[in-house]
Amino acid sequence: GQNIDQPTEMTATEGAIVQINCTYQTSGFNGLFWYQQHAGEAPTFLSYNVLDGLEEKGRFSSFLSRSKGYSYLLLKELQMKDSASYLCAVTEGDYKLSFGAGTTVTVRA
Amino acid sequence: IAGITQAPTSQILAAGRRMTLRCTQDMRHNAMYWYRQDLGLGLRLIHYSNTAGTTGKGEVPDGYSVSRANTDDFPLTLASAVPSQTSVYFCASSAGERTEAFFGQGTRLTVV
Repeated sequence: GQNIDQPTEMTATEGAIVQINCTYQTSGFNGLFWYQQHAGEAPTFLSYNVLDGLEEKGRFSSFLSRSKGYSYLLLKELQMKDSASYLCAVTEGDYKLSFGAGTTVTVRA
Repeated sequence: IAGITQAPTSQILAAGRRMTLRCTQDMRHNAMYWYRQDLGLGLRLIHYSNTAGTTGKGEVPDGYSVSRANTDDFPLTLASAVPSQTSVYFCASSAGERTEAFFGQGTRLTVV
């Protein structure tokens, strides 16, 4: 089974930085994904980590610590269009991809 | 345009009726998934398949069945719909465990 936890909501100001944490406990581990989902739309891929460390992609970075069962997504230079839900997901093996409940980020002017 | 297609986009269904949600992808992906998304509960895995002919149960499989007769299609069937199955259903596919999943646009199902 799996247990994937992330905060329900976060609010930040335009231009600021926000860090979304995700902790997981799974029976197997083949990598951790972050997805973005705007209201009424399908999720879209942001990042993938399978090794410990930081992966940077423009304004977005994702970190993984396998020994701690911990990841974070860092959003820098926040823009209004970054208001969305951010979903942490883990592959456990055998292609099973499970998601956390998601973190809704609201960016205020 | 290559991608993943779900049908119907939305449906209102009487309780007790049988319903099949369709999902087709043309990316030749091995893995396919069905999720339901309810407010506050995120995406919950219903069933998945890692290759044609093989399926597995996810977190909330009861009341749903799937088949994977070929690579492209992964239909989800509700044998006898109940109001608690009112939800938004997403189908997704991926080439492998370490590659991103692509999602369909979702099916909004209301069981009354």
